[in-house]
Amino acid sequence: AQSVTQLGSHVSVSEGALVLLRCNYSSSVPPYLFWYVQYPNQGLQLLLKYTSAATLVKGINGFEAEFKKSETSFHLTKPSAHMSDAAEYFCAVTDTNFGNEKLTFGTGTRLTIIP
Amino acid sequence: NAGVMQNPRHLVRRRGQEARLRCSPMKGHSHVYWYRQLPEEGLKFMVYLQKENIIDESGMPKERFSAEFPKEGPSILRIQQVVRGDSAAYFCASTTDTEAFFGQGTRLTVV
Repeated sequence: AQSVTQLGSHVSVSEGALVLLRCNYSSSVPPYLFWYVQYPNQGLQLLLKYTSAATLVKGINGFEAEFKKSETSFHLTKPSAHMSDAAEYFCAVTDTNFGNEKLTFGTGTRLTIIP
Repeated sequence: NAGVMQNPRHLVRRRGQEARLRCSPMKGHSHVYWYRQLPEEGLKFMVYLQKENIIDESGMPKERFSAEFPKEGPSILRIQQVVRGDSAAYFCASTTDTEAFFGQGTRLTVV
């Protein structure tokens, strides 16, 4: 069975500071990993995904994530936080090249940006 | 190209009533997933449907919940005899081979 653990349900950073959101996964097969962002009262928007190609994945809005098999991690980073980054972020895993497979989500990390 | 459309966006039901949530996938998509998001939690898989077929319903509660995706029209998630614990945001996603596109969700409140 797959699972995802997001460390820190709430993270606050100052505007312009580094954003680091942590995600660790558990999977018995090579995983496919995703980060989604959810703005208040909205659906989920895909930020980026890892599908066994490059281990450093670049996404939208300046975010990137690095797949580290030895650490079973897929942490999300952004060099400089912007006020518009305030949202909830979800890490998710599936065990196939996603298309017709259900996602298993973490419990989310709420990111607050301090002016 | 319209995205995944869910309606209603907000739904209030009294305990014991029925709730019907609708999801129209993106044009050309024939796979739909339903997820439930309880307050302060992540999304939990409920059911996976293709046109006229339920492929995986392992996440659906055994009673009161049902889903369909007819040949014509939207996918429907139906909750009978709602209880307060059904209050949640319900999201559907339609998929291509490489990505899931999520709707904006239906927020169900049971009073």
